[in-house]
Amino acid sequence: GENVEQHPSTLSVQEGDSAVIKCTYSDSASNYFPWYKQELGKRPQLIIDIRSNVGEKKDQRIAVTLNKTAKHFSLHITETQPEDSAVYFCAASLRGSTLGRLYFGRGTQLTVWP
Amino acid sequence: DAGVIQSPRHEVTEMGQEVTLRCKPISGHDYLFWYRQTMMRGLELLIYFNNNVPIDDSGMPEDRFSAKMPNASFSTLKIQPSEPRDSAVYFCASRGDNSPLHFGNGTRLTVT
Repeated sequence: GENVEQHPSTLSVQEGDSAVIKCTYSDSASNYFPWYKQELGKRPQLIIDIRSNVGEKKDQRIAVTLNKTAKHFSLHITETQPEDSAVYFCAASLRGSTLGRLYFGRGTQLTVWP
Repeated sequence: DAGVIQSPRHEVTEMGQEVTLRCKPISGHDYLFWYRQTMMRGLELLIYFNNNVPIDDSGMPEDRFSAKMPNASFSTLKIQPSEPRDSAVYFCASRGDNSPLHFGNGTRLTVT
């Protein structure tokens, strides 16, 4: 099955700086790549996703890039704020089939210092 | 829509007891997933259903774990007998064919 690796496992940045989290996947057939944010004691919530026919997607301060050739994708958060502090998970899946489960990375604990 | 609804939110039980976790997926979603989250192992997929049929249960740790989906609006995850190492947060999640995965608020299970 698919294998998703996520780095770094922890990331500390100063408020206002940018944060980048990177993931690699193993199955070239994967075509859907969501990112989830999980605040302490809460459920994971989707913040942005990208499909394999797109190289980049942006939503305000967050953006995701996808390199299908290298099989990696990244989450970029600009102008970080303390409320961005959370665990971020990347995932990969093959949508449109009964095999369409998400394979999650191990998560990145992001801490934004004021 | 109220989202994915899980109950109970917290469960404390003694080793050896039976535990039943419940989930109501978002209406119209035909995929339902059960995940377990711990610090050591992260988010683990236990089992998932498509149109109420179990598709992959390879993540179910042992025969003590079982899951059912008797209809499109209800699923249960049962642990019998429970053990302290089963302590974790259990998430139910659902999605449609072309919609994102939505998680419930989880059940925090403590087995003493």
